[in-house]
Amino acid sequence: KAGVTQTPRYLIKTRGQQVTLSCSPISGHRSVSWYQQTPGQGLQFLFEYFSETQRNKGNFPGRFSGRQFSNSRSEMNVSTLELGDSALYLCASRLGALLSTDTQYFGPGTRLTVL
Amino acid sequence: DQQVKQNSPSLSVQEGRISILNCDYTNSMFDYFLWYKKYPAEGPTFLISISSIKDKNEDGRFTVFLNKSAKHLSLHIVPSQPGDSAVYFCAASGDDMRFGAGTRLTVKP
Repeated sequence: KAGVTQTPRYLIKTRGQQVTLSCSPISGHRSVSWYQQTPGQGLQFLFEYFSETQRNKGNFPGRFSGRQFSNSRSEMNVSTLELGDSALYLCASRLGALLSTDTQYFGPGTRLTVL
Repeated sequence: DQQVKQNSPSLSVQEGRISILNCDYTNSMFDYFLWYKKYPAEGPTFLISISSIKDKNEDGRFTVFLNKSAKHLSLHIVPSQPGDSAVYFCAASGDDMRFGAGTRLTVKP
């Protein structure tokens, strides 16, 4: 069974631009969560989608948005990029909606660099 | 706000010895705790978890201890192996999942 895939793996953008990251969950998984990883901050929760609906949202500005499609694939969009948005963006999928009991499987991440 | 804290950014141990990684949390509503291991250029992989109704969970060389009164959990790796060298994240789950900043474990041969 294929794992979680994220595209692109690396991305370089300039301030003010926007970016869209893509995540394909494990086949059959209906929940996708997004995280931002920066040095010293660990993984910070961005949002979670289940069956095309956003179920939870972390403490990030409105420039960060996402969506999930009927095939469970998810995209994350960041508009008006800032230097501080440079980070590794990780996507994780799990089978069901119960956050506390299902194991999340992470993708390799997209490394975003904002110049 | 840092609801989950790993106060040691790095830890170095000798092969064969015990590795103890610590994690503290502030939100008493968390009811499930997990440890993830992360190698460079890869996403985190699930290692072991514990429910808030337990105080210990063991899986091979890995044991997680939970002290609810102290809001503290720890991961013990015995014996440590060079292949265990990675960044370890603790996570706490309630309405969403919060991660610590990670501890880089280096196991020296």
